[in-house]
Parts: sequence; C-alpha cells; structure tokens
Amino acid sequence: DVVMTQSPLSLPVTLGQSASISCRSSQSLVYTDGNIYLNWFHQRPGQSPRRLIFKVSNRDSRVPDRFSGSGSGTDFTLNISRVEADDVGVYYCMQGTHWPKTFGQGTKVEIK
Amino acid sequence: EVQLVESGGGLVQPGGSLRLSCAASGFDFRSSWMSWVRQVSGKGLEWVANIKPDGNEKSYVDSVKGRFTISRDNDQNSLFLQMNGLRVEDSALYYCAREWNIWGQGTTVIVSS
Repeated sequence: DVVMTQSPLSLPVTLGQSASISCRSSQSLVYTDGNIYLNWFHQRPGQSPRRLIFKVSNRDSRVPDRFSGSGSGTDFTLNISRVEADDVGVYYCMQGTHWPKTFGQGTKVEIK
Repeated sequence: EVQLVESGGGLVQPGGSLRLSCAASGFDFRSSWMSWVRQVSGKGLEWVANIKPDGNEKSYVDSVKGRFTISRDNDQNSLFLQMNGLRVEDSALYYCAREWNIWGQGTTVIVSS
C-alpha cells in the first residue's frame, strides 16, 4: 500500500500568518494517464471532511484562493495564506492513484 | 440540494451484521463513483470500499475483503454497505462520499459485546 506521510502533525499558527503542510508518498502518484490524483481535505471538529484541492493544485468550488496546493511525484504541499479562525481543524492528504486509496495521518491546525 | 444521508449504523455484537445505506440527492448519482470511508473516533480517515457508476466494478481495503459488500441502486439513488462478520476494530463513523467532493454526515457503527 502507498503510505502517505504528513508533517507536521500539529501546527500552531498565528491569525493572518501563513501555514504549510507537507505530504510525502511512498511511491510516485503519477497515474498511467499522466495525472496525479492527490487530494487535500479539511475536517473541522465534529464535521465531515471537505475536499479543498484535487489533482495536486486544483481548488474545489467555493474554496478561497488562500488555499493552494503544489508538488509532483512524491512530494506535495498545502499552503494556507492569511490564516483565519475558520481554518482550524485537521487537514488530510489522500492519494487516489493506487489501490487501496490511502490518507495521510492528518495535520491538526490550531490558532496560537 | 446536493446531499448524502447515511443510515443503518448501530450497536452490534462481534460476528454480527449491519447494512448501511446512503441516500443521495441533488446530483447525478448514476454517473458517480461512490465510496465508503470510515473514521475511528479521534483518529484518521480510512477508505473502505468504492463502486463504479454501473456497479460492475468494486474495490475493498484488505481488512474488509470477504466480509463487506458494497452495492448500489441507481434507480433509488442509494448506496449500500453490507457488513458481515463484524469485529471490534470495525467500530467507526462510516461516511459515504461521491468522488471525494461530496460527503455525508456519517453513521456510527459500534461493535461490542
């Protein structure tokens, strides 16, 4: 199985500052069609996950442009600029290239 | 309104069975890949199974193969997860999801004697 490793696992951030979460996969996520099926999700306490980013860098509808994804191969990053109080929660990366689909452990973002 | 609503969770003894349902509305269900994902309380997300739009292709995580069966009824816009031989470690909140961009609120399964 593809192991997804996130860092850090806990990320205290100051309101208005930027945050960055890393996600590394144990093997390349490039699919045979040339796409990289790497998603980012945000889960607020007591809520269902919500996808923010698909295929590395594409924002879902109504996701603020403060959220951006980047990366290639096995190394991926989610950046959050101008952090707001509503951004707290756990962020997960997930690979959809290989079977079984696998998630990272999650990164808990909290406000300092 | 785009929505997924899970039901069917509950308390069951080890070795028992449950059938989860997920009612879809507000989007083209019959054209959508659907998945079940579970989350142990306070822990991370685990993909469990998914099914192709026509229902002819199904995949499972190894830990549930041979015990769980995913199915769908496109005429009723419904997704199902038949869970047999339940184990304590299957206890979790079970979400259904449509192609990762629509998620239900989840239904809780507790396996305990």
